[in-house]
Parts: sequence; C-alpha cells; structure tokens
Amino acid sequence: DGGITQSPKYLFRKEGQNVTLSCEQNLNHDAMYWYRQDPGQGLRLIYYSQIVNDFQKGDIAEGYSVSREKKESFPLTVTSAQKNPTAFYLCASSFRQVGTEAFFGQGTRLTVV
Amino acid sequence: GQQVMQIPQYQHVQEGEDFTTYCNSSTTLSNIQWYKQRPGGHPVFLIQLVKSGEVKKQKRLTFQFGEAKKNSSLHITATQTTDVGTYFCPLGNQGGKLIFGQGTELSVKP
Repeated sequence: DGGITQSPKYLFRKEGQNVTLSCEQNLNHDAMYWYRQDPGQGLRLIYYSQIVNDFQKGDIAEGYSVSREKKESFPLTVTSAQKNPTAFYLCASSFRQVGTEAFFGQGTRLTVV
Repeated sequence: GQQVMQIPQYQHVQEGEDFTTYCNSSTTLSNIQWYKQRPGGHPVFLIQLVKSGEVKKQKRLTFQFGEAKKNSSLHITATQTTDVGTYFCPLGNQGGKLIFGQGTELSVKP
C-alpha cells in the first residue's frame, strides 16, 4: 500500500533528551513537511523540504532539526533546546507543483516528562 | 507574507443545523484547498478549488471560491455528528510552504 508512515504513535521522553521522530513515504513525493499541533490549536510548520539534501525552516524551527538524505525519509529531531516539546507532531508529503494534495501520516504524540 | 484568515475559530451547533466556515485572503489565490481533521486524527484532503466563482458539492458539503479568488467558504447542510472535526483551508504550496493556520473547530451536539 502506498502511503506515509510515522512512528512511533506515542513517545515518552525525559526532559533534556533529544528524540527523533520518523517519517517515511512511498508516494514518490518530492516535498515533505513537519507540523506541530497543540491542543485546540492549528498546525504550525516546523520544517519543510522540496528536494533531497535541501530543507527550509518553517515558522517554529527553533529547537528542532531535520535531515533529508533520501527522498522517502524526513526524520525530525526534537532537541533539548525545545522549551515545550510535548505536542502532536504531523508529517506530510506532496508533489512539488502548486496546488497538489498533501497526504499526512497518523502523527506522533510526544510527551516529555 | 501571504496569509489566509479563517473564521470562526470555533462553532458549536445542534445536530441538523447548518454550518459555514470562511477563509479570507488579502491577496489573490491561485487555488484553495480544504482539509478535515477528525479529533485525534490527521488532516485529510477534501477538495481543491481553482476557478473564480467555482462551486463544488460533496453530498451535504458545498465549497465555493469567490469571484475575486480572495475568499472561500465551506457550507455543511444539516450537520451530523460525523461532521465533527477541524476544517482547514491552507495556502496551497506557495513557494514550497504549506501553511495551515488555526482552522475552524466544529462540534455537533446530538
């Protein structure tokens, strides 16, 4: 089945630890995105990538890092510098052309204690 | 930068009532997309509008793109509990970004 997969679904970490969230797609999409969602809030863009080995900061990139070494993969690392890391993280992908549909993964709910 | 404002932020309706959410842009849009996110779920693409004045229907949902291509609306007739969720109208891949914003959260009381 084609799709976009995020893992794990739930993740718990201790404060001060870095954690990496996985996002894999087999849709042959060029563009990939990471969003953060807090309770009752919309989606805020963290990072996005249009092609392999290139990525851009979104609106709330501080405390996060990404890599795009393969077209299929766009992992997000939540570093200890992120002040409020507990949130729901969503990964999405799409073709690069303007106006194409974005497909989302199931999301990872990160809790930092 | 280009932004889309969505109103209202929250809407509570009785089952059977109609519901409308609006997206307004300060600049002309090439297209507009609508997504729905169920509680605890992820956003799912509903539709895309491209032409000025375009109207598209999906069962009880009616989507409209303004004549000036600066606003759009989603109207749900006779809401059901299955309509609960947050509706988004993101900017469609403008300069590589895909900006979602706050959305409109709809709750339906049975």
